[in-house]
Amino acid sequence: TQLLEQSPQFLSIQEGENLTVYCNSSSVFSSLQWYRQEPGEGPVLLVTVVTGGEVKKLKRLTFQFGDARKDSSLHITAAQPGDTGLYLCAGAGSNYQLIWGAGTKLIIKP
Amino acid sequence: ETGVTQTPRHLVMGMTNKKSLKCEQHLGHNAMYWYKQSAKKPLELMFVYNFKEQTENNSVPSRFSPECPNSSHLFLHLHTLQPEDSALYLCASSQVSGGDLYEQYFGPGTRLTVT
Repeated sequence: TQLLEQSPQFLSIQEGENLTVYCNSSSVFSSLQWYRQEPGEGPVLLVTVVTGGEVKKLKRLTFQFGDARKDSSLHITAAQPGDTGLYLCAGAGSNYQLIWGAGTKLIIKP
Repeated sequence: ETGVTQTPRHLVMGMTNKKSLKCEQHLGHNAMYWYKQSAKKPLELMFVYNFKEQTENNSVPSRFSPECPNSSHLFLHLHTLQPEDSALYLCASSQVSGGDLYEQYFGPGTRLTVT
């Protein structure tokens, strides 16, 4: 059974600080996605990583896919209150399904 | 805007009621999904429809009944639910074409409370 473990489960930091969220598995994924979910809304796709070692940047967010395609990280530089939300990673499983992590709840305090 | 709409946004129902959740996608996708989201748990996939055919039913109790009349519409019919069924129900769509991206686009969800 493919599983994705996210850490930390919860993170509360001050505006301007940096942070990293991790998504780990013992399984290899052909691709991995990161989503952000705000209260009362559905998850919104941020990025998809496909190649081992790939790094993608989205403004202050940096996403990395591990060389072996078993893990991924999300790094936020100079966090802003608008970054607050639930961050979810999901790996491509079989039959067009995604394997989901439990999420990291991030709170950025002004 | 995600292009996926869900109604109602909030629903309170008794255990003996029958209700339906509706999802519509305006993205031209060919696959649609129902998920259950409970606090501190990974998203639980309930049903998958690919080209209007149900391809997955992840051991979901029969009190949940999906319907997909066409590739743009998806329903979840609810009857005799239990309090533990209270959760956020999310609909998603994606374009599946043999590749491995599986990028999904979600609606805002229906917050369901069973009393």
